[in-house]
Amino acid sequence: DAGVTQSPTHLIKTRGQQVTLRCSPKSGHDTVSWYQQALGQGPQFIFQYYEEEERQRGNFPDRFSGHQFPNYSSELNVNALLLGDSALYLCASSLNPPFGELFFGEGSRLTVL
Amino acid sequence: AQSVTQLDSHVSVSEGTPVLLRCNYSSSYSPSLFWYVQHPNKGLQLLLKYTSAATLVKGINGFEAEFKKSETSFHLTKPSAHMSDAAEYFCVVSETSNFGNEKLTFGTGTRLTIIP
Repeated sequence: DAGVTQSPTHLIKTRGQQVTLRCSPKSGHDTVSWYQQALGQGPQFIFQYYEEEERQRGNFPDRFSGHQFPNYSSELNVNALLLGDSALYLCASSLNPPFGELFFGEGSRLTVL
Repeated sequence: AQSVTQLDSHVSVSEGTPVLLRCNYSSSYSPSLFWYVQHPNKGLQLLLKYTSAATLVKGINGFEAEFKKSETSFHLTKPSAHMSDAAEYFCVVSETSNFGNEKLTFGTGTRLTIIP
C-alpha cells in the first residue's frame, strides 16, 4: 500500500516565478492538507482540501492556491515566488474527519534564489 | 487560538537512559494533543495522541505521554533510549472548526540526539 507521495522532491526557482507541487494521498484517504516547514521550524498549516474544495486555510497570502482532483490527488501552486517561500512543503492525507491522524509525505524542498 | 510550547530545542541523552521531551499547551477548552516524529529526510509520523480518554497515552516504539491539565503539560517520555530514536519531535495541538475539519498547530520541535 503506497503512502503519500509528493513530486518533485527538490526544485530550484527564481524570485517572481511560479511553482506547482503535487501530492497523491494514501489509498482510501479523501482529505489532503498542505504544510510549509521552514528550516528549523515546525510545519505551518497552509490549507486543507476535501471534496475538491478548500475547506480551511491558514495565514498564507493568496499567492498560495491549491486544487484537489476527483481522484483526491492535490496540487499546491505558489505564484510570484519570494525568497521567504524557500521551505519544505509537506502534503498530508487523512480520512474525514482526521482526528489528528495525518499521514505525511516526505515533502518537496523548494529553494528560491 | 490554541498553541503548544516545546521547552527544549535540543535534548541529548545516552543510549539506554530515559528520554523526557517537554511540551506545554495553551487552550481555552479540552484540547486534542499529539506527538509527531520526523526522522532525517523522512515524512512526519504520528507517535501518539490524546483525545480526552485516558490521561496516560501509549504510543509506538515504547514512547508514552501524560496529559496533566493542572500543569497544562503533555510531556513525552521513554524509559530507555535507542539509537534509532534520534530525530526531531513535534508536540501538536488540534483545532477543530464547527464543520468538523481541523488543522494541526505544531510546536517548534525538539531535536533528540542519542549518545552511544
